[in-house]
Amino acid sequence: DGGITQSPKYLFRKEGQNVTLSCEQNLNHDAMYWYRQDPGQGLRLIYYSQIVNDFQKGDIAEGYSVSREKKESFPLTVTSAQKNPTAFYLCASTPGTGGIHEQYFGPGTRLTVT
Amino acid sequence: ILNVEQSPQSLHVQEGDSTNFTCSFPSSNFYALHWYRWETAKSPEALFVMTLNGDEKKKGRISATLNTKEGYSYLYIKGSQPEDSATYLCAFQGAQKLVFGQGTRLTINP
Repeated sequence: DGGITQSPKYLFRKEGQNVTLSCEQNLNHDAMYWYRQDPGQGLRLIYYSQIVNDFQKGDIAEGYSVSREKKESFPLTVTSAQKNPTAFYLCASTPGTGGIHEQYFGPGTRLTVT
Repeated sequence: ILNVEQSPQSLHVQEGDSTNFTCSFPSSNFYALHWYRWETAKSPEALFVMTLNGDEKKKGRISATLNTKEGYSYLYIKGSQPEDSATYLCAFQGAQKLVFGQGTRLTINP
């Protein structure tokens, strides 16, 4: 079955540590996205990538970094510079890089930093 | 900063009743309006992607309308069932990126 996998489902880290969240898709989609969800707020775009080895900042990129070395993989690193890293993180993909496409989402990773 | 508002934030409905909720978005630079259903412990799934003013889409008991001139979309659920319990997200597409509303959390009481 095609889809998006995110691992792990729950992640716990100590403050000051970097942590990398995994996102893999086997849908052969070109574009991939990272969103963050906080209680009472809509999904906010962190980073997106339209092609391998290229990515753009979203609305809340500060304290995060990404890479896109393979089409199917788009890992997100939450660095120690992110002031409020505890949140639910969703990865998504779309078939094309332009135009109008529905987004396909992974199951999410809940990150807790103490 | 684009503002996409959904109302109400939460809703409790008796099984069998019909319900609707609203998504408000900017009326300029409109490309598309997306609706997603997000069930607990699952991934959000697309319900509708709407592009034309006056567009109406239907999937089973769920339907949506779109008014791009005034900047709103309604989602309707007819004869609510327990499996309709979920958070419903709308997202405004103005170019490449989506801007999401905060969602309407729907609970169906048996």
